[in-house]
Amino acid sequence: DVKVTQSSRYLVKRTGEKVFLECVQDMDHENMFWYRQDPGLGLRLIYFSYDVKMKEKGDIPEGYSVSREKKERFSLILESASTNQTSMYLCASREQVGLGTEAFFGQGTRLTVV
Amino acid sequence: KQEVTQIPAALSVPEGENLVLNCSFTDSAIYNLQWFRQDPGKGLTSLLLIQSSQREQTSGRLNASLDKSSGRSTLYIAASQPGDSATYLCAAPADNYGQNFVFGPGTRLSVLP
Repeated sequence: DVKVTQSSRYLVKRTGEKVFLECVQDMDHENMFWYRQDPGLGLRLIYFSYDVKMKEKGDIPEGYSVSREKKERFSLILESASTNQTSMYLCASREQVGLGTEAFFGQGTRLTVV
Repeated sequence: KQEVTQIPAALSVPEGENLVLNCSFTDSAIYNLQWFRQDPGKGLTSLLLIQSSQREQTSGRLNASLDKSSGRSTLYIAASQPGDSATYLCAAPADNYGQNFVFGPGTRLSVLP
């Protein structure tokens, strides 16, 4: 089974801190994604990566950056955390074959910024 | 730009009922659609991926169909159980490149014992 693992289930950080959210997948997938999920707004794409060191902005990249130094690991970075970044963060991966394959998600990280 | 909607927003049924969840998308030039389940406070679990050439996909008590011409997909759950209670989301490709996808807002299902 494909496994996508996020480093933390719950995080509490202070305003202004630099925050790292880590995601690792074990199926050699080319594509990896970071979403945030908020009540009433659904899932919104922050960034995705289609290869090592390659990234594309999603719908809401402001205040975030990403890093993909190895194929299996995709990190989301909050350079200076703010309270409006309190949210559920979800990582996903999928194989880059043809016109789209099954996507797999991690268990989510609930981030609270105080 | 692809937009995905789901109805109903919430549904409550007694155990044992068969039920249908609906997903609509605006760009019918899609080649697949995926259904997910999300339990409270958890990540998404993949249920079914339907390719446009398949039109239907089945897994256990779940059956998903895809009608590109009408811009609709349905998820049929047979003989519902309390363990089916969760939010169900559908996702369609965002564009013709096929790697990104757009989610619907979800249907929150409660199956009462």
